[in-house]
Amino acid sequence: GNSVTQMEGPVTLSEEAFLTINCTYTATGYPSLFWYVQYPGEGLQLLLKATKADDKGSNKGFEATYRKETTSFHLEKGSVQVSDSAVYFCALPNYGGATNKLIFGTGTLLAVQP
Amino acid sequence: EAGVTQFPSHSVIEKGQTVTLRCDPISGHDNLYWYRRVMGKEIKFLLHFVKESKQDESGMPNNRFLAERTGGTYSTLKVQPAELEDSGVYFCASSQEVLGAAGTQYFGPGTRLLVL
Repeated sequence: GNSVTQMEGPVTLSEEAFLTINCTYTATGYPSLFWYVQYPGEGLQLLLKATKADDKGSNKGFEATYRKETTSFHLEKGSVQVSDSAVYFCALPNYGGATNKLIFGTGTLLAVQP
Repeated sequence: EAGVTQFPSHSVIEKGQTVTLRCDPISGHDNLYWYRRVMGKEIKFLLHFVKESKQDESGMPNNRFLAERTGGTYSTLKVQPAELEDSGVYFCASSQEVLGAAGTQYFGPGTRLLVL
């Protein structure tokens, strides 16, 4: 089945630093790719997605490009803020019959210091 | 539009007790999923309903877990009897269609379960 490998954390950055969280995947075909975020004390939110190769998903200053040749979907942000402190999950669907369950990475904890 | 809601937000129980978690999906979403994150590890799929039918329950850990979705609206996940290793965050998600090129699952805030 499909799988995803995500950069382990925690990642600690100073405010305004550049962020990269690596995510690589193994998949049959070309599934959509997702980044979810969980802020402290909150639930899981969709941050961005890309539905086909070379697509770039973006939201709240975050970007990720669907790279078929490197099977990657790295999350980037040019200038992080304290409010970006959260756990970030890379995910993709595992197509199988009528169920397209999401397969998640282990999550990367990001801590941004002022 | 109201999002996915889950109840309770937190639950602390003793080993051997029973706990029932509830999920209300987004109105009109036929697909309902349960996931779990244990001990800071990856979020793992438990099961998937399409309306009231269980489409895939391959992720259910064992027969102590029972999920229902009577009437195809809200869903409950019962753990009976609870064990220490059941502690974690239980997420519910819903989607209007099965994930395709543009499909997206919308998640609830989760229920944090602690078994002592």
